[in-house]
Amino acid sequence: KAGVTQTPRYLIKTRGQQVTLSCSPISGHRSVSWYQQTPGQGLQFLFEYFSETQRNKGNFPGRFSGRQFSNSRSEMNVSTLELGDSALYLCASVNTGTDTQYFGPGTRLTVL
Amino acid sequence: GNSVTQMEGPVTLSEEAFLTINCTYTATGYPSLFWYVQYPGEGLQLLLKATKADDKGSNKGFEATYRKETTSFHLEKGSVQVSDSAVYFCALSGRQTGANNLFFGTGTRLTVIP
Repeated sequence: KAGVTQTPRYLIKTRGQQVTLSCSPISGHRSVSWYQQTPGQGLQFLFEYFSETQRNKGNFPGRFSGRQFSNSRSEMNVSTLELGDSALYLCASVNTGTDTQYFGPGTRLTVL
Repeated sequence: GNSVTQMEGPVTLSEEAFLTINCTYTATGYPSLFWYVQYPGEGLQLLLKATKADDKGSNKGFEATYRKETTSFHLEKGSVQVSDSAVYFCALSGRQTGANNLFFGTGTRLTVIP
């Protein structure tokens, strides 16, 4: 089975811009979760999508949003970028049957 | 609420030394517990998991036992290798409270020297 794919792997943006990150889960997995990883805050949950519906959301401002398509691929969007949004964004493909999450390689976002 | 407390790093060991990384948790109900490993420049890899009390997860020589009485899930390996150098994260699942999100510890950086 192919693993979790995230694109792009690296992004450089400037403050005020917006960005869209993409995640393709493992075939057959209908749930996708997103996490932000920073040196200061560690790994923080952003949101989870299941069958195109957001089921759960972490404590992030409304500038962070996401969606999921009928093929389970997911995107997350960050609008009006701030310097503090620089982070590694990780997508996880969730096997809801075994309660296990498999992570992609991440997208490294740098905001200048 | 759910939280994970993990041993502070960094940890530096010589090759073939014994490794223990402590992890304790606070949770509602009986969560699944996980150890993930992150190599430089990569995402998280699932190392092992345990889903109920007294379960032992194991993989690649690493082991951890789900201890409900001490709310712990310590990671151990009998003989570490240079290739084990990475950051290790303990995590618990929030699914028992209806959410499919993981709660992570702060991570422990392990460096193994030849």
